[in-house]
Amino acid sequence: DAKTTQPPSMDCAEGRAANLPCNHSTISGNEYVYWYRQIHSQGPQYIIHGLKNNETNEMASLIITEDRKSSTLILPHATLRDTAVYYCTENNAGNMLTFGGGTRLMVKP
Amino acid sequence: DGGITQSPKYLFRKEGQNVTLSCEQNLNHDAMYWYRQDPGQGLRLIYYSQIVNDFQKGDIAEGYSVSREKKESFPLTVTSAQKNPTAFYLCASSIGLGTSGDVDTQYFGPGTRLTVL
Repeated sequence: DAKTTQPPSMDCAEGRAANLPCNHSTISGNEYVYWYRQIHSQGPQYIIHGLKNNETNEMASLIITEDRKSSTLILPHATLRDTAVYYCTENNAGNMLTFGGGTRLMVKP
Repeated sequence: DGGITQSPKYLFRKEGQNVTLSCEQNLNHDAMYWYRQDPGQGLRLIYYSQIVNDFQKGDIAEGYSVSREKKESFPLTVTSAQKNPTAFYLCASSIGLGTSGDVDTQYFGPGTRLTVL
């Protein structure tokens, strides 16, 4: 069973920031938060990961709360090509990922 | 180009037939994984391999088999024992397991869509 919970769908206007939430109610201290996205009929694409600190790369920013029970993926200026299903998951030294249903993000013009 | 390739992109099979899905990577990764995805669902782990000549069952291994004779290749066979094989199959690889507390990122191939006729 998935260990994370996400809203099933969200809309965002093109050019605006998309903020995608994730709850990690059972995350343990050595588990990293990972985010992937999947565009229709393609393999998942790695976006970003973090343990405790907030992270930023060329694709997105990741905010992790101090208690690590929730995270938010931020796409600062969403484009139509960001329309996809976004998955948050947890990964530890055993390197096992568990994917839930994800959030279907629709970016609208 | 470096990456993970899966072939074929689409595969059709008659009931009762075994079929093998190919996964190749030229990233020099030690670990490889197979996932299954059903429509509107997340990914479920079928098998994984941390090193050549070794592999472990995932959450839904029944009706599937794998081999890992070469570092770059991890083929998946869907056998006739798999009752509902129609699905999207994804292969992934990662550098390999580190020491406790380390983590490494899995990278996915483009997938194979299997349909049983």
